Amino acid sequence: EDKVVQSPLSLVVHEGDTVTLNCSYEVTNFRSLLWYKQEKKAPTFLFMLTSSGIEKKSGRLSSILDKKELSSILNITATQTGDSAIYLCCLGTYKYIFGTGTRLKVLA
Amino acid sequence: SAVISQKPSRDICQRGTSLTIQCQVDSQVTMMFWYRQQPGQSLTLIATANQGSEATYESGFVIDKFPISRPNLTFSTLTVSNMSPEDSSIYLCSALTGPGTNEKLFFGSGTQLSVL
Repeated sequence: EDKVVQSPLSLVVHEGDTVTLNCSYEVTNFRSLLWYKQEKKAPTFLFMLTSSGIEKKSGRLSSILDKKELSSILNITATQTGDSAIYLCCLGTYKYIFGTGTRLKVLA
Repeated sequence: SAVISQKPSRDICQRGTSLTIQCQVDSQVTMMFWYRQQPGQSLTLIATANQGSEATYESGFVIDKFPISRPNLTFSTLTVSNMSPEDSSIYLCSALTGPGTNEKLFFGSGTQLSVL
């Protein structure tokens, strides 16, 4: 059965710190891996990664997938209090399943 | 991108009743999904809403409890039937755009359901 595991489950840092969030997966027919940020009800899209291994960047956020290790990381540099949220990893096959999420809290 | 309108945004319901959640996408999409997010937990896939045919349900979810309709490529409904307090959750509809190298899964604003 396809599976997505995220670590750590929660993280508390101070403003300015750099954080790395991890996502590992087991899948039969890999299609894509997506990262989301959830602050209220609806998750907002961050990145879509494929097995090409190309790094995606957007401002202070970046993400890359390692197809050999079946994992992905999401990096956030120079964290701000506005980065406090739940970060979700989503595995895309013929359906889309989510990991447990990482709850990030950034202290001022 | 896609804009998804989901309603109601929240509701408080009595045990034993049913609630239908509607999801309207502003463009035609191939795939739509329904998720549940219980308090303090991640998103759990309920089913894939198939256009013109029966939905594909995940393990632990059945059609009698969560009937889903998808009459066309832009609209879907999820009904939560014979509700109990355990059904209190956030329900989210989603749509997949740009299958392939630009694919993204967009979400409606969610329905916060409380069952008394």
